[in-house]
Amino acid sequence: AQSVTQLGSHVSVSEGALVLLRCNYSSSVPPYLFWYVQYPNQGLQLLLKYTSAATLVKGINGFEAEFKKSETSFHLTKPSAHMSDAAEYFCAVSPEGAQKLVFGQGTRLTINP
Amino acid sequence: DTGVSQDPRHKITKRGQNVTFRCDPISEHNRLYWYRQTLGQGPEFLTYFQNEAQLEKSRLLSDRFSAERPKGSFSTLEIQRTEQGDSAMYLCASSLGQGFNEQYFGPGTRLTVT
Repeated sequence: AQSVTQLGSHVSVSEGALVLLRCNYSSSVPPYLFWYVQYPNQGLQLLLKYTSAATLVKGINGFEAEFKKSETSFHLTKPSAHMSDAAEYFCAVSPEGAQKLVFGQGTRLTINP
Repeated sequence: DTGVSQDPRHKITKRGQNVTFRCDPISEHNRLYWYRQTLGQGPEFLTYFQNEAQLEKSRLLSDRFSAERPKGSFSTLEIQRTEQGDSAMYLCASSLGQGFNEQYFGPGTRLTVT
């Protein structure tokens, strides 16, 4: 079964520093991959998605992610963290042929002033 | 496009009671999904509809859970004889068209079973 592993349940960075949130998936066939953000007591908002076009995907709010098939990774980055980036981030995969999303356990991002 | 809406946003119930949640998808979206999210975890898939047909159900969806989408528009998720382990955020999402398209999530219904 498809699975997603997010390394680090909690990441803390200083405002203005690089944000790197790690995601690895288990699959022999490149699936669709997604990053979602969740603010407290809210639903999930799509940040970006990979659908086998460009391997470097740009999303909203200055985030981007790079699909690396050889590493089965889809890490999320942002060059300069902003206080408003503090939230929970989820990596998700859509198994081939399925309509559902399989989510990782999430990474809570804290931004220090 | 008013987004996916869910009602109620919060529900507190006593163990053993039945509860029903409603989801209104984005109007032109033909697919609707239910997920459950417990504290500190990512959402877990429960079930999905294409139009009014329920096409997939997770093993997480026990006999106490039932979901409907009678006219292919809004959906309801009912939990009978609630248990404390049912306490979670219940998320609804919708998507459009054929193939795999991105899912848009509602704000969720937080259920607390006392």
